[in-house]
Parts: sequence; C-alpha cells; structure tokens
Amino acid sequence: QVVLVQSGAEVKKSGASVRVSCKAAGYTFTGSYIHWVRQAPGQGLEWMGWINPNNGGTFYAQKFHDRVTLSRDTSTNTAYMDLTSLTSDDTGVYFCAKSIRFLIESWGQGTLVTVSS
Amino acid sequence: EIVLTQSPGTLSLSPGERATLSCRANESVSSNYLAWYQQKPGQTPRLLIYSALIRATGIPDRFTGSGSGTDFTLTIARLEPEDFAVFYCHQYGNSPLTFGGGTKVEIK
Repeated sequence: QVVLVQSGAEVKKSGASVRVSCKAAGYTFTGSYIHWVRQAPGQGLEWMGWINPNNGGTFYAQKFHDRVTLSRDTSTNTAYMDLTSLTSDDTGVYFCAKSIRFLIESWGQGTLVTVSS
Repeated sequence: EIVLTQSPGTLSLSPGERATLSCRANESVSSNYLAWYQQKPGQTPRLLIYSALIRATGIPDRFTGSGSGTDFTLTIARLEPEDFAVFYCHQYGNSPLTFGGGTKVEIK
C-alpha cells in the first residue's frame, strides 16, 4: 500500500531554513504528484505547492513562492520541501501528500516545525 | 486563486442528528473537482468525497456530497459518535489548489 514517511520534528531559530523529507513507497514514485500542505497550531489546512516527480516541474502557492523550494530524488523515491527565512508564523505541521492527478488521497504522518526567536 | 468559504464555522449537534456543511467558491470550480476531508485531532485528513459527490473507498453512505459550480454541500445523514471532527472542502481543479477554512462538528 502507499506509504509516505516524513522526517522528524525540527526546532529552528527565526531566519533559519528547514528541510523536510518525504520518502514514498508502495507505488511508482514518478507516476503521481507530491503536494505539501501546512497546518499551523489549531488552524486549517494550507496548500503550499506541488512537484511532479517525473520531470521535477513545480507550482507554488503565491504566499510561499519566494521562500519554498520543492525537489525530489528519484533514486531514493524521496521528495523534499525547503523553506527559508523562517518566522514564528511558520510554526506548524507540514504534510506531504500524494495525489491521483490532483486529488490528494494519501498523506504522510506530518512533521512538526517549531520556530523560536 | 479560488477562495473557498465554509459555513458555519462550528456546528453543535447531537448523535443521530443530520449535519449540513456548506462550501462556497468565489468562482466556478473546474470540472467540479471539489473534495471533502475529515480531520480528527492529531490525525491526518481522511478523504470522504471527491468530484463533489463520489464517496471515497470505505466511506459510509451516511456521507453525501452535492452541488456544482460554486456551491457545494456535505451532508451527514445521522451523526455517529466517531463523526465529530473538523471537515474541510478542497478544490483541486485549478492550481493553486486551495482549502476552505473548515467546519468543526462538535457534540452538543
């Protein structure tokens, strides 16, 4: 079955950068888009962007366009989310998710990123 | 970008009652690619409905999606104790993809 395993929790200082990884198993990695979704504490879901693992093509939400980079390594079936210039507003759980076409149907377990000043 | 507005913000109901959740888009959702997710505390979202009205695998038939264009509804026919959670609508017809702000269904 589809499994997405994310890297562990991170604690960062304001101004730093963070990388979250998402290792996929149970399907053809290059056959489905990977999305990243953020959830601030007690808040709703916020879509950040997608990557096409087949060709590396990306699309970012305007809000994150200048600070986020999505990438992938097809040799290890792993997707990455890099977020720079962190502030306390970036504190939250970051999910990777797999879509069929663009319908998100499988989720990673989430990675808590805490940004402190 | 398509903005999704969910209402009400919170719905206080008793088990066995009917829940009606609304999701309104500021422009038409392409191909009615509108999904509903349920999220319980500490858990990942669970796909309930896609393409506005198709139940995902394993979803009980008490969950019904309806609507098209800009107005969509999720109806839970008779609330079971395990249904109390936060529900999000999500459009995936256009990039950027977007989520609604959520409706919390709580026990009255």
